[in-house]
Amino acid sequence: GDSVTQMEGPVTLSEEAFLTINCTYTATGYPSLFWYVQYPGEGLQLLLKATKADDKGSNKGFEATYRKETTSFHLEKGSVQVSDSAVYFCALSPGGTSYGKLTFGQGTILTVHP
Amino acid sequence: ETGVTQSPTHLIKTRGQQVTLRCSSQSGHNTVSWYQQALGQGPQFIFQYYREEENGRGNFPPRFSGLQFPNYSSELNVNALELDDSALYLCASSSPGGTKNIQYFGAGTRLSVL
Repeated sequence: GDSVTQMEGPVTLSEEAFLTINCTYTATGYPSLFWYVQYPGEGLQLLLKATKADDKGSNKGFEATYRKETTSFHLEKGSVQVSDSAVYFCALSPGGTSYGKLTFGQGTILTVHP
Repeated sequence: ETGVTQSPTHLIKTRGQQVTLRCSSQSGHNTVSWYQQALGQGPQFIFQYYREEENGRGNFPPRFSGLQFPNYSSELNVNALELDDSALYLCASSSPGGTKNIQYFGAGTRLSVL
């Protein structure tokens, strides 16, 4: 079945540092890929998405490129802020009639210090 | 804010009891999906409802059941509660058309089973 694997362990950075959170996936067909963010005590917010190979999703300074050859969708940001501290989830949605049935990674906790 | 509302926000039950969680979808959305998020884990897909019919189910036992109403709001029912059912339950709605792959999440219901 479909699966998503994120880099393990929390990430701790200083403000203005460069961020990378790795995400790889296993899926049949042509899934859509997403990054969601979860702030403490809240639900999930869509951060960015990509629906086909080589698409780049971007939002609020975050970027991720859909790489079909490496089955990856790594999240990057050039300069993080304290307000970016949250849990980040990579997810995929199968195509066809299974749209919207998301498979999530285990999440990566990001803490940014001033 | 996504416009998806869930109630109640918190709930405490004892093992063996039954619980009903509610979700109001965003205006114009006819598809509702439910997810279970255990502490420290990514959300797991429970099932999806489209126009009042179940449209796919994840790896959850039959004691997890649902309904969708004509106004597209939805309920998640869990019978014979077990300790492992303690989790954050998230509802997500989506719209037909080109953006149907995008799920908009509510803030969730935190269920504790004692």
